[in-house]
Amino acid sequence: SQTIHQWPATLVQPVGSPLSLECTVEGTSNPNLYWYRQAAGRGLQLLFYSVGIGQISSEVPQNLSASRPQDRQFILSSKKLLLSDSGFYLCAWRPGGGEAFFGQGTRLTVV
Amino acid sequence: DQQVKQNSPSLSVQEGRISILNCDYTNSMFDYFLWYKKYPAEGPTFLISISSIKDKNEDGRFTVFLNKSAKHLSLHIVPSQPGDSAVYFCAARGYGGATNKLIFGTGTLLAVQP
Repeated sequence: SQTIHQWPATLVQPVGSPLSLECTVEGTSNPNLYWYRQAAGRGLQLLFYSVGIGQISSEVPQNLSASRPQDRQFILSSKKLLLSDSGFYLCAWRPGGGEAFFGQGTRLTVV
Repeated sequence: DQQVKQNSPSLSVQEGRISILNCDYTNSMFDYFLWYKKYPAEGPTFLISISSIKDKNEDGRFTVFLNKSAKHLSLHIVPSQPGDSAVYFCAARGYGGATNKLIFGTGTLLAVQP
């Protein structure tokens, strides 16, 4: 069966520090991978998606970037965090065009 | 531009009664709709979906209705249980399949009172 791992679960980082969140999927190959953010009162906003190694599409201009160095690995990064980057970050994968399966999320607090 | 809208941020119902969660969308090219349930500090879990060629899909206590002319879908939970208390997100997929994104609404917090 397929599983998705996302870590860390919580993170407190100072403004201006770098960020690296990692997501890996097991039990499948060539998944479509997604990063979402849930900010307070704003639902789930799609940040990035990837259909293959090295292929990244960005949905909104922001202080974040994503990379896919391996087939089942998706990384969300920032060089310098802003207060507005605080939120709940979710990695997801889709086996095709159907439903997405989400990781447990990372609560990021920028102080 | 919010293409998927859930206009009720919260809903409270009594245990055993029906919960109706609503969702509106603006893009007529959406061809597949989904509902997710989310507990605090966890990732959303898939509940039920419906294709645009149908107007109803049922799975146990959960039924999703789609009204394409009104660009409206709803999730009915009958009977509601305290364990159903969570945030519910509707999502829509654009026409074209595998790489098309899921666009989520802002969520509705459902509280089922015992």
